Amino acid sequence: SAVISQKPSRDICQRGTSLTIQCQVDSQVTMMFWYRQQPGQSLTLIATANQGSEATYESGFVIDKFPISRPNLTFSTLTVSNMSPEDSSIYLCSTRTGFEKLFFGSGTQLSVL
Amino acid sequence: AQRVTQPEKLLSVFKGAPVELKCNYSYSGSPELFWYVQYSRQRLQLLLRHISRESIKGFTADLNKGETSFHLKKPFAQEEDSAMYYCALPDSNYQLIWGAGTKLIIKP
Repeated sequence: SAVISQKPSRDICQRGTSLTIQCQVDSQVTMMFWYRQQPGQSLTLIATANQGSEATYESGFVIDKFPISRPNLTFSTLTVSNMSPEDSSIYLCSTRTGFEKLFFGSGTQLSVL
Repeated sequence: AQRVTQPEKLLSVFKGAPVELKCNYSYSGSPELFWYVQYSRQRLQLLLRHISRESIKGFTADLNKGETSFHLKKPFAQEEDSAMYYCALPDSNYQLIWGAGTKLIIKP
């Protein structure tokens, strides 16, 4: 199993600023995933982050808006840049062991004013 | 295209009543399906997966290929079952495709 510590748990930010979300895993993992969960909607994968390589972004998400770092096998950050109210959402990091089971961080609830 | 549909955003049942959370999928091939659950103030976690055919917290789910469904069932709901439930399906890259989720409320 894997336990992920995610912070901050919530934040209220001003339009045009940036927020960096951090996730720390209690074991070394190859892949980490970043999701967005907008109100009333499903989880949407933003990107997959492998250590030592650039993140792979899903359609509709770009590196300039959501830069990701993955400096080692236990840590990753997601930055939400130049925020607008449309970025208000819950952001989740996750990882998996083997092929199947996903483990999630506790989420970051972001509100942009 | 692969897709997971949870038609009910909200389901409210009385304690002790049977529960069925609906999940339908669209997938070409032999799917694997998961149910994840998020209790209040807790993180999202795996509830069960069809491949293991196990019962967790009294919940079961049977894959019905004819109806392309993977409904989650429990014969007698308990108040602690109140949570958000998500059905999910891995795509060809093994990234999960998620349903929109169903909020289950168990009334005392």
